[in-house]
Amino acid sequence: GAGVSQTPSNKVTEKGKYVELRCDPISGHTALYWYRQSLGQGPEFLIYFQGTGAADDSGLPNDRFFAVRPEGSVSTLKIQRTERGDSAVYLCASSSDGLAGSTGELFFGEGSRLTVL
Amino acid sequence: GQSLEQPSEVTAVEGAIVQINCTYQTSGFYGLSWYQQHDGGAPTFLSYNALDGLEETGRFSSFLSRSDSYGYLLLQELQMKDSASYFCAVTSGTALIFGKGTTLSVSS
Repeated sequence: GAGVSQTPSNKVTEKGKYVELRCDPISGHTALYWYRQSLGQGPEFLIYFQGTGAADDSGLPNDRFFAVRPEGSVSTLKIQRTERGDSAVYLCASSSDGLAGSTGELFFGEGSRLTVL
Repeated sequence: GQSLEQPSEVTAVEGAIVQINCTYQTSGFYGLSWYQQHDGGAPTFLSYNALDGLEETGRFSSFLSRSDSYGYLLLQELQMKDSASYFCAVTSGTALIFGKGTTLSVSS
């Protein structure tokens, strides 16, 4: 597609449930990032993929969060035993090169808004 | 660790000039980026500075001083559509680390 696509756009779930959020990056982009954004805050880094491997998962808050990118394209962020504090917009971004620093430019999707009741 | 400081809110009128400052503390600094985000929308890239100095892109300019760990975004000839949140972000290692954002409100 032309841009980064994220599904679902909205997800409402109950505390304790399992959630999967999907990201389809720009075609050909090898680097993929997941961020989380709470109201009134900046995007918070979660995990970075270069190809199929998680090159940096230092931002994942705990072991309830996990992400995969099995074929180096689409990625899924998985959240187990959701808590009310997980409620946020989950943003996916991609870039053509592995190091965001070469141009500083990431292409973001519109995000998946997660609400945990 | 990394930290970025920017004002939480700025207000201005149409046609005016606004400067949004950003100071940062980080290890492994590569560059400073600026992003714009309208309510409910995706962050979109505005500019990037890897070296000291001023970068100009249309009505927007961005400045970096690496020695002062400081940068700013300058918006000229403000328009109502510029009302949005603006984030500075540092490239440290493999990811962009964002500040908390500055909400710009432009009135007529």
